[in-house]
Amino acid sequence: DVKVTQSSRYLVKRTGEKVFLECVQDMDHENMFWYRQDPGLGLRLIYFSYDVKMKEKGDIPEGYSVSREKKERFSLILESASTNQTSMYLCASRLPGRGGELFFGEGSRLTVL
Amino acid sequence: GENVEQHPSTLSVQEGDSAVIKCTYSDSASNYFPWYKQELGKGPQLIIDIRSNVGEKKDQRIAVTLNKTAKHFSLHITETQPEDSAVYFCAASKGAPGGSYIPTFGRGTSLIVHP
Repeated sequence: DVKVTQSSRYLVKRTGEKVFLECVQDMDHENMFWYRQDPGLGLRLIYFSYDVKMKEKGDIPEGYSVSREKKERFSLILESASTNQTSMYLCASRLPGRGGELFFGEGSRLTVL
Repeated sequence: GENVEQHPSTLSVQEGDSAVIKCTYSDSASNYFPWYKQELGKGPQLIIDIRSNVGEKKDQRIAVTLNKTAKHFSLHITETQPEDSAVYFCAASKGAPGGSYIPTFGRGTSLIVHP
């Protein structure tokens, strides 16, 4: 079974703190994604990476950055957390190609006070 | 960019009834349409998908239809059961840098099946 593991299920941070969300997958997938999930807004793409050290902005990259130094690990970084970044963050991975299944982690719920 | 509209946002049915969720997309270049189910406290999981060269696909109680001309696709669940209760997301996907296909998701439908 594919396993996508997000290191923290729940985090509480203060405004202005630097926040790291870590995601690790064990299936040697080239593609990795970070989505943000908010009620009524669905899943919005923040960043994706189609291979190591490669990254592309998604629909809502402002206030976020990412790091992909190793194939299995994709990190989402909030340089200076703000209250409007309180949300559920979902990581996913996939083999490249024409479509194909995204494998999601269980999510990291971040609260910024 | 791609825009995916999903309706309804909430759907309540009695056990045994059918449920239909509809999505429209804007970009005619999209050619892969997956559906994901998200149970409480879990990440979304693929339940069925369809490609643009196919009009309909079935998997037991679940079916998806695609109308490329009208740019809409639908999820049909027959004989609903309480364990079908979840949030369902549709998505439309097309090519992106690196040869990958990036899905744009709808806003989700919360399906509630009453016993």
